[in-house]
Amino acid sequence: NAGVTQTPKFQVLKTGQSMTLQCAQDMNHNSMYWYRQDPGMGLRLIYYSASEGTTDKGEVPNGYNVSRLNKREFSLRLESAAPSQTSVYFCASSVSRWDRPNEQYFGPGTRLTVT
Amino acid sequence: KQEVTQIPAALSVPEGENLVLNCSFTDSAIYNLQWFRQDPGKGLTSLLLIQSSQREQTSGRLNASLDKSSGRSTLYIAASQPGDSATYLCAVSNNNNDMRFGAGTRLTVKP
Repeated sequence: NAGVTQTPKFQVLKTGQSMTLQCAQDMNHNSMYWYRQDPGMGLRLIYYSASEGTTDKGEVPNGYNVSRLNKREFSLRLESAAPSQTSVYFCASSVSRWDRPNEQYFGPGTRLTVT
Repeated sequence: KQEVTQIPAALSVPEGENLVLNCSFTDSAIYNLQWFRQDPGKGLTSLLLIQSSQREQTSGRLNASLDKSSGRSTLYIAASQPGDSATYLCAVSNNNNDMRFGAGTRLTVKP
């Protein structure tokens, strides 16, 4: 049971390049999330998916797209990377249990640098 | 818009001391509140989750309290150890999917 996995762990991009960050969970969770974490700030929600086939914008969605490929996988795409997107990206998942509503489990993160 | 604040931003204590980390939030209509631990270069580990109807949760040396009316939560760590050194994050959900995080408190426990 690996929990939430993310690939790659590190990535360096040039401005204007594109890439996709991959996330998978093996806990049979319905909801999945993408966050970014910048120095001195809390995590901010980029997009989330409440169930397979649905996605919704979070607090900072501009410059990103997402795909909920199936129940296990949720990918984040940067179409044209900008230096402002340099950050650590975390994927998370959750299941709505009556006793632990929206308890989120996080992956190890992807460190992205855009030069 | 929910805003979450954690004070202090950093805290250094000697081993064995009991300590309290603070979290405040602006919108009291919360769904739940979660405390996380983050080690340098790592992901987040869930420590405690308090539902909106609860006032506290305990796990080992950790105790988290919630006062919705005043918009505050505290994380109490008893008998601190060097292994407790990490950043502690507070996060508040106002619905089943949207979670807002504080910037965290960086804790150092000195041997």
